Amino acid sequence: AQKVTQAQTEISVVEKEDVTLDCVYETRDTTYYLFWYKQPPSGELVFLIRRNSFDEQNEISGRYSWNFQKSTSSFNFTITASQVVDSAVYFCALSRNTDKLIFGTGTRLQVFP
Amino acid sequence: DGGITQSPKYLFRKEGQNVTLSCEQNLNHDAMYWYRQDPGQGLRLIYYSQIVNDFQKGDIAEGYSVSREKKESFPLTVTSAQKNPTAFYLCASGPQDRITRNQPQHFGDGTRLSIL
Repeated sequence: AQKVTQAQTEISVVEKEDVTLDCVYETRDTTYYLFWYKQPPSGELVFLIRRNSFDEQNEISGRYSWNFQKSTSSFNFTITASQVVDSAVYFCALSRNTDKLIFGTGTRLQVFP
Repeated sequence: DGGITQSPKYLFRKEGQNVTLSCEQNLNHDAMYWYRQDPGQGLRLIYYSQIVNDFQKGDIAEGYSVSREKKESFPLTVTSAQKNPTAFYLCASGPQDRITRNQPQHFGDGTRLSIL
């Protein structure tokens, strides 16, 4: 069975703090894909990153970075120097070698000025 | 601009009524999806379609129906059999060819459905 767990329901930080959103996944497939999406208050889902199971390189994009560790089945997301505009719900998702996405329950991030 | 358009943004359903949510995309994507989002929960797949005139049930298809007569359009009907339809509905699309599959799905802005 496939499953994505985002244990942090809600996180609150003050602007300029660093924050890490955890994502743990379960799958028996050797080939799979992991995603992070951002859902701002307006409701649409914004794609942030895709990572395939063969690529464990960490990635940095501006203030965003992702740490993929197959040994712990984790794909954590860190925002450095958080800003109020980062306030949103963040979803981690998993797909097999198909295109069906399995989502975690999301982490609501609130960044206060 | 290419994208996915969902309408209406807000929709109200009376008891025993069927309602249809619209989803149109101009991204030339073969695959389209409908997800349901409940408060505090992730997205759950209702139906998906990988090609015109074909679609498959997702994890929570009961009480819903879809059609895929055109590549650009994938309307979702919430039937009276769906006893708890109040939720946020998101439509998505994605490429389907072997090279680009598992590329990220693109999402619309969603439709919020409530019971009157």
